[in-house]
Amino acid sequence: GQQVMQIPQYQHVQEGEDFTTYCNSSTTLSNIQWYKQRPGGHPVFLIQLVKSGEVKKQKRLTFQFGEAKKNSSLHITATQTTDVGTYFCAGVEYGNKLVFGAGTILRVKS
Amino acid sequence: GAVVSQHPSWVICKSGTSVKIECRSLDFQATTMFWYRQFPKQSLMLMATSNEGSKATYEQGVEKDKFLINHASLTLSTLTVTSAHPEDSSFYICSAMGLAGTHVVGEQFFGPGTRLTVL
Repeated sequence: GQQVMQIPQYQHVQEGEDFTTYCNSSTTLSNIQWYKQRPGGHPVFLIQLVKSGEVKKQKRLTFQFGEAKKNSSLHITATQTTDVGTYFCAGVEYGNKLVFGAGTILRVKS
Repeated sequence: GAVVSQHPSWVICKSGTSVKIECRSLDFQATTMFWYRQFPKQSLMLMATSNEGSKATYEQGVEKDKFLINHASLTLSTLTVTSAHPEDSSFYICSAMGLAGTHVVGEQFFGPGTRLTVL
């Protein structure tokens, strides 16, 4: 079945440094979504990427969808302590079923 | 807008008992709701997809007789863990998808989760 791999599992950065998490799907996706889960909280939708090669920005966050629609990345510029949490990618092969990556835990040292 | 609630937020029960968890979309109608379980520091694993008025679709390896799902209305889905055992202890999270045209297509709104501990 469809699998979504996500790396790194964990990243600890100094405040102000950049952060990137990568996702790779075993199958071609119709779209990929990104969620953020704060410690003790529930996943919150960040963005959805649909088009091949798509790049979207939300302030310091940049999301990319690969040309083959099998990989994606989330890049945070100049991290802040409020960025702390686990970032999940979730791929949709067809329909509405989300297959989540393992998540990347981000810790930020101030 | 787009708030999903879950009740209870946590529950402790004895082995062999059944536990019902409710998932409600508070300010929108949800044709589809999803149930996930999440183990500590792990990802969300989809258990089943629930459509209003029809039977739930379970993922491979999820026992439908053990995890009973009822989607009685466009704002309520329930998950009943029957004859719970310690290995069922987990964080159960539901999500809801709004009607077409109301939100980003495919966007899921997650509930706060229910932590189940079976003694």
